Amino acid sequence: SQQGEEDPQALSIQEGENATMNCSYKTSINNLQWYRQNSGRGLVHLILIRSNEREKHSGRLRVTLDTSKKSSSLLITASRAADTASYFCATDGKGGSEKLVFGKGTKLTVNP
Amino acid sequence: ETGVTQSPTHLIKTRGQQVTLRCSSQSGHNTVSWYQQALGQGPQFIFQYYREEENGRGNFPPRFSGLQFPNYSSELNVNALELDDSALYLCASSLRVLSNSVSKNIQYFGAGTRLSVL
Repeated sequence: SQQGEEDPQALSIQEGENATMNCSYKTSINNLQWYRQNSGRGLVHLILIRSNEREKHSGRLRVTLDTSKKSSSLLITASRAADTASYFCATDGKGGSEKLVFGKGTKLTVNP
Repeated sequence: ETGVTQSPTHLIKTRGQQVTLRCSSQSGHNTVSWYQQALGQGPQFIFQYYREEENGRGNFPPRFSGLQFPNYSSELNVNALELDDSALYLCASSLRVLSNSVSKNIQYFGAGTRLSVL
């Protein structure tokens, strides 16, 4: 079963605007990661945030993590048409398991 | 490019048949994970192999089985195919380091094999 949900399921914005996607999860985690997937192809790792971190930046990406609410957000600033893809959050749990548990994803469309 | 290659890219089988999917992991990685992704859903963990041993399994029946070879490449075998097995099958490789600190567990995905069961 899925760990949690991304919100919204779909997001359509204009180039240059910011895109914010949210993720909720259910169990205690070691890390939370965001991955991107273009048109049913392989996933590409974007950014990882550890459970003891609250915010992380990488280029135009900003990730926040609130472990008390079991939620995370991904912000893409100054979006480009090439950012059009599905975005997934993935968690790996405490207890030694190294499997990733994915949400259902947010489908982002950036219109030129 | 992640350096993880999967074959074949597409496959069509009929119900009841058996299928083998292959994955070559990124150089230097010792762990391979397999995921099933149904249309419109997130990937679901099938199992993981670390140094040729199964290291965790998701909620999939025994007709899903796997192997990891000494060069860390891997196979996913599915017997008695069912219509619901139609999906994108993703392989991911990673480097697992046993230490007291928590690993980052970043996984590098191949492009996937699209399996259609008719």
